[in-house]
Amino acid sequence: GAVVSQHPSWVICKSGTSVKIECRSLDFQATTMFWYRQFPKQSLMLMATSNEGSKATYEQGVEKDKFLINHASLTLSTLTVTSAHPEDSSFYICSARVAGLSNQPQHFGDGTRLSIL
Amino acid sequence: AQTVTQSQPEMSVQEAETVTLSCTYDTSESNYYLFWYKQPPSRQMILVIRQEAYKQQNATENRFSVNFQKAAKSFSLKISDSQLGDTAMYFCAFMKQVIQGAQKLVFGQGTRLTINP
Repeated sequence: GAVVSQHPSWVICKSGTSVKIECRSLDFQATTMFWYRQFPKQSLMLMATSNEGSKATYEQGVEKDKFLINHASLTLSTLTVTSAHPEDSSFYICSARVAGLSNQPQHFGDGTRLSIL
Repeated sequence: AQTVTQSQPEMSVQEAETVTLSCTYDTSESNYYLFWYKQPPSRQMILVIRQEAYKQQNATENRFSVNFQKAAKSFSLKISDSQLGDTAMYFCAFMKQVIQGAQKLVFGQGTRLTINP
């Protein structure tokens, strides 16, 4: 149980385009999802906390107009990298927490490798 | 703010040996949770083991066990009878206990563990 699906797993696109990444909880409902960014050989950096039906909470230094987050349902959160540039190339990972259960571990998706040419 | 420190960037042991990964953290919270996550080359984040701070007994999961020293704010992971499949990045993570609201994970820098045949 507690499977999180992330799509796409790998995307390559030209500079200036926008890229949408989906994060789905397949067998549970998630009121809260988290988006992380990971550079090669580094740790996960929390970008934002996605809350179902409300605005996302962004970490300090993360541009909310650059990284648009939508959490319209209890099973889906999306991250859109707008007008992507080469410096946005990275590994993006989402995680989700089971709704109604506090103090439980997060379940992670498989990540999305984003390469901007 | 909480911080998590993993002082061993890389470790390497022979198959079947026992290896211990260190983790220290800093917090003023009295109730919290600690986790070890494994990230193999596939880059999926896999929960290895968790520890509730209010429990004195160290958590164990088959070949994985922790040495939780609350006063010293230390949380090391011991892998017994190491296997080739244990090769991965290992992240120590902290999560404070909350009644409601989002619970963020704070990750350490990671330790790259290589199991040699």
